Amino acid sequence: GESVGLHLPTLSVQEGDNSIINCAYSNSASDYFIWYKQESGKGPQFIIDIRSNMDKRQGQRVTVLLNKTVKHLSLQIAATQPGDSAVYFCAENREKLTFGTGTRLTIIP
Amino acid sequence: DAGVIQSPRHEVTEMGQEVTLRCKPISGHDYLFWYRQTMMRGLELLIYFNNNVPIDDSGMPEDRFSAKMPNASFSTLKIQPSEPRDSAVYFCASSPGTRNTEAFFGQGTRLTVV
Repeated sequence: GESVGLHLPTLSVQEGDNSIINCAYSNSASDYFIWYKQESGKGPQFIIDIRSNMDKRQGQRVTVLLNKTVKHLSLQIAATQPGDSAVYFCAENREKLTFGTGTRLTIIP
Repeated sequence: DAGVIQSPRHEVTEMGQEVTLRCKPISGHDYLFWYRQTMMRGLELLIYFNNNVPIDDSGMPEDRFSAKMPNASFSTLKIQPSEPRDSAVYFCASSPGTRNTEAFFGQGTRLTVV
């Protein structure tokens, strides 16, 4: 079936290093993707989005890359900080917002 | 704006009881979504509304679940009768549009059915 999902359920990164979280999708018609961050006890929070007419989009310390050929996107977090510890979801929004399974990012001090 | 507001934050109820979860979306947002989050199934979309009208309820697990949106500023998700397997965190989200727009989430209601 059509879905969006993540490659790894957990990721541990040394503080100060860069983090890369990956996501794959199956529907070539998907044209809008969002990355959400969910901290413990809170709802998902918007981080950054990207439309299919773009390959890359940058925000503050975050970059999203979209590879439509292999239906893959990634979230890169530069200089990872303890506050980046959370579960990260990629989501696609065609008619309804559909989430992947999430990657738990743990920062090692 | 205070964001999406959900109540209660926590609910513990006995099996068989009726449970009502409440949501106030962000003012001016035309779309409202109800999600359920569990460890096993992740974030599942249950139902969404556009201008107070239910558009897609294909994610509602069974007839025990119902959702209403009587006006633009209020929605409820009701479970009657509740069962232990309904235990989860229920999120409400709102959006100014569906396609190609982000959704803003509330803090969630943690439901425990014992």
